[in-house]
Amino acid sequence: EAGVAQSPRYKIIEKRQSVAFWCNPISGHATLYWYQQILGQGPKLLIQFQNNGVVDDSQLPKDRFSAERLKGVDSTLKIQPAKLEDSAVYLCASSLEWSGSLVEQYFGPGTRLTVT
Amino acid sequence: GEDVEQSLFLSVREGDSSVINCTYTDSSSTYLYWYKQEPGAGLQLLTYIFSNMDMKQDQRLTVLLNKKDKHLSLRIADTQTGDSAIYFCAERVNDYKLSFGAGTTVTVRA
Repeated sequence: EAGVAQSPRYKIIEKRQSVAFWCNPISGHATLYWYQQILGQGPKLLIQFQNNGVVDDSQLPKDRFSAERLKGVDSTLKIQPAKLEDSAVYLCASSLEWSGSLVEQYFGPGTRLTVT
Repeated sequence: GEDVEQSLFLSVREGDSSVINCTYTDSSSTYLYWYKQEPGAGLQLLTYIFSNMDMKQDQRLTVLLNKKDKHLSLRIADTQTGDSAIYFCAERVNDYKLSFGAGTTVTVRA
């Protein structure tokens, strides 16, 4: 079974530029998550999708970050304009379910963003 | 700050046992998890424990849960060099969301 795919793996941009990340979850997984992991910290949930609907985006800085999952499969996360503090690893994860019983999230390798 | 707290570093000799500790805040958490992150990779679920359990053993891994103190620990027996990684404790809040600690970097020395 193929895992969660993310691209690009690395990205370096200047502040005020825009950037987009792509995620392809495990086939059949209805729930998709985007996390931000700043160096030295644990992952922080930015947004969670159930199919193509948003379950939680309470920690997404909506003035600059946006995410979509139009067909309920792939997802993109965009930052526009980027700030220095956006430098982090952006992790995508997916799971079969999203609540109730044990929910095992499968993580992709992440995209490391450096904003200069 | 993090709602889930962990010590940041642990150094252990190869063959010894490692114990990683974690405290969490949400007394209604149904599941608590341990994830492992190797350099350049995403997080991998190592093990989990349901909140009505005190202990769970899975091969070299033992998870202990003290609900009264909101304390979780992970013991790795016979620690190997391949166990060098960052270990994250996570609690499930609101029945769907994971809140992670900052991670404990485990270094295994020969």
